[in-house]
Amino acid sequence: RKEVEQDPGPFNVPEGATVAFNCTYSNSASQSFFWYRQDCRKEPKLLMSVYSSGNEDGRFTAQLNRASQYISLLIRDSKLSDSATYLCVVNPPGGFKTIFGAGTRLFVKA
Amino acid sequence: DGGITQSPKYLFRKEGQNVTLSCEQNLNHDAMYWYRQDPGQGLRLIYYSQIVNDFQKGDIAEGYSVSREKKESFPLTVTSAQKNPTAFYLCASSIRRDDNQPQHFGDGTRLSIL
Repeated sequence: RKEVEQDPGPFNVPEGATVAFNCTYSNSASQSFFWYRQDCRKEPKLLMSVYSSGNEDGRFTAQLNRASQYISLLIRDSKLSDSATYLCVVNPPGGFKTIFGAGTRLFVKA
Repeated sequence: DGGITQSPKYLFRKEGQNVTLSCEQNLNHDAMYWYRQDPGQGLRLIYYSQIVNDFQKGDIAEGYSVSREKKESFPLTVTSAQKNPTAFYLCASSIRRDDNQPQHFGDGTRLSIL
């Protein structure tokens, strides 16, 4: 089993749709979690941290389910500009190793 | 503006040649990292450094070398021993070695073989 797994997609959705991505992780003791956004041929950019209580930033909501070992990202009212690859990032405890998922591609169409 | 600067943006390597990728940050971050990204794949850690004059191998260090003589700078050398260097190289930094701190990235260097 991979340490961090994401559905590669692509997800093709119309503008205004709600879309959700999940990401599973294998180390149950992992401490911190993030979602990054990566545009084509660009660097990843931090989208949001994922807290145990869940968090929301505008149209984006991130949640953590420790029992089932997954994190999720919900995008409401999708915009054309949301088209990108979304990377799930997990920090296992103890060592110094951040694990990046391979990403989920999203295409939002008019 | 605070940030991470990578140069050059594009780099071409000849057979048997060593090339060095630059990474400079003015964020006063302690920790710095180098990743490699191949098409359709996640980021893989090459080297990381938690403090000046100290660095550790990541998952794919073979064929690469680094130095950390200054807090702001973490250059990566791709040596001739790296037989498949074509990739997108990303430098990142974080405030400190801390499980809860996110990493911030430079805009990357694309390396190709001539």
